[in-house]
Amino acid sequence: AQSVSQHNHHVILSEAASLELGCNYSYGGTVNLFWYVQYPGQHLQLLLKYFSGDPLVKGIKGFEAEFIKSKFSFNLRKPSVQWSDTAEYFCAVNAKNTGFQKLVFGTGTRLLVSP
Amino acid sequence: DAGVTQSPTHLIKTRGQQVTLRCSPKSGHDTVSWYQQALGQGPQFIFQYYEEEERQRGNFPDRFSGHQFPNYSSELNVNALLLGDSALYLCASSFRGLGDGETQYFGPGTRLLVL
Repeated sequence: AQSVSQHNHHVILSEAASLELGCNYSYGGTVNLFWYVQYPGQHLQLLLKYFSGDPLVKGIKGFEAEFIKSKFSFNLRKPSVQWSDTAEYFCAVNAKNTGFQKLVFGTGTRLLVSP
Repeated sequence: DAGVTQSPTHLIKTRGQQVTLRCSPKSGHDTVSWYQQALGQGPQFIFQYYEEEERQRGNFPDRFSGHQFPNYSSELNVNALLLGDSALYLCASSFRGLGDGETQYFGPGTRLLVL
């Protein structure tokens, strides 16, 4: 069975600080990887995704993530956060080549950016 | 282009009652997945519907059932409600139910409170 671990449950940063949120997954096969964001009062939105190819993927709002297969990791990064990045971030994995799109989510990381 | 819509937005029920939640997928999408997001947790996969059939199911009891209509909209039914069913119920839609390379788009959710 697949599982996703997000080790940082709460992160507090000042504006302009750099961000890295950890995500590790457990699955023996190949995977699609996602980061979703949930801004206060809004629904889950896709931030970025990795299906294949370049392991460094760029998403919206200056976010990027790097897939390191040997470490089963897909960490999210942003060089300089803004107050508007305050939100909850979820890492998710979908097993490839199963014909299904069942997403397995981590428990989320709540990011608070202070102005 | 309308995104994923869900109704109602909020619902209060008492233990033992039954509830029906509704979802309309994003235009052009043919697959609907349902997730339960308990407070402080990541979404958990309930089941997925494609071509009006349940294609895959997560670790949820038979009290949770669903339906997909010819227009691809979907319903989630929960019978014999328990206090622990209180959660945000998310609907996600995607295209090509047989594939796993597509992205799921989420609706705003229905917040269910069971008293």
